[in-house]
Amino acid sequence: GEDVEQSLFLSVREGDSSVINCTYTDSSSTYLYWYKQEPGAGLQLLTYIFSNMDMKQDQRLTVLLNKKDKHLSLRIADTQTGDSAIYFCAERGNQGGKLIFGQGTELSVKP
Amino acid sequence: GAGVSQSPSNKVTEKGKDVELRCDPISGHTALYWYRQRLGQGLEFLIYFQGNSAPDKSGLPSDRFSAERTGESVSTLTIQRTQQEDSAVYLCATARDLLSYNEQFFGPGTRLTVL
Repeated sequence: GEDVEQSLFLSVREGDSSVINCTYTDSSSTYLYWYKQEPGAGLQLLTYIFSNMDMKQDQRLTVLLNKKDKHLSLRIADTQTGDSAIYFCAERGNQGGKLIFGQGTELSVKP
Repeated sequence: GAGVSQSPSNKVTEKGKDVELRCDPISGHTALYWYRQRLGQGLEFLIYFQGNSAPDKSGLPSDRFSAERTGESVSTLTIQRTQQEDSAVYLCATARDLLSYNEQFFGPGTRLTVL
């Protein structure tokens, strides 16, 4: 079945880079996503990557996709305290657009 | 409205009671999804509506759960005979269509507590 796995916690110092990793099982995934959830706020789409790409860069964010290993990562450069949140990896299969989410990685940024 | 809205924001109920949760989509969004988020966990897909097509109910955990949506309007998620394990945040998301990357916009959720 479909499954998405993430490590639960990551702690970094302000100004360092953060790398959040995710593995998935569905080889028919069409798009993969990173969502951000801040305390008391809803989920917001941070970035996404189409499955035929291996890298996408958007300002401080870099997404790497290794389709062979079914591994997705999100790198946040120059991490700030405002980046503290829970980050969810999600995959979209080829039927209907439903998303399968990982359990989320809580990123803690220390000043 | 400007975004997806959900009501109520919080619901406390007694075990065995029925509850109804509401989702108001962004105008023009044809796709609507319900997810459940248990404490400290990721989101579980429940059900999905796309226009007038038959809904994808593959994520509903039991026959106590049902949802309705008429056209591209409001959706309601009903849980009958609630159990303590139903306690979670129920999130609704809508998307313009299924084309391209299909960004889903999430509502703030309804926090359900079953005593």
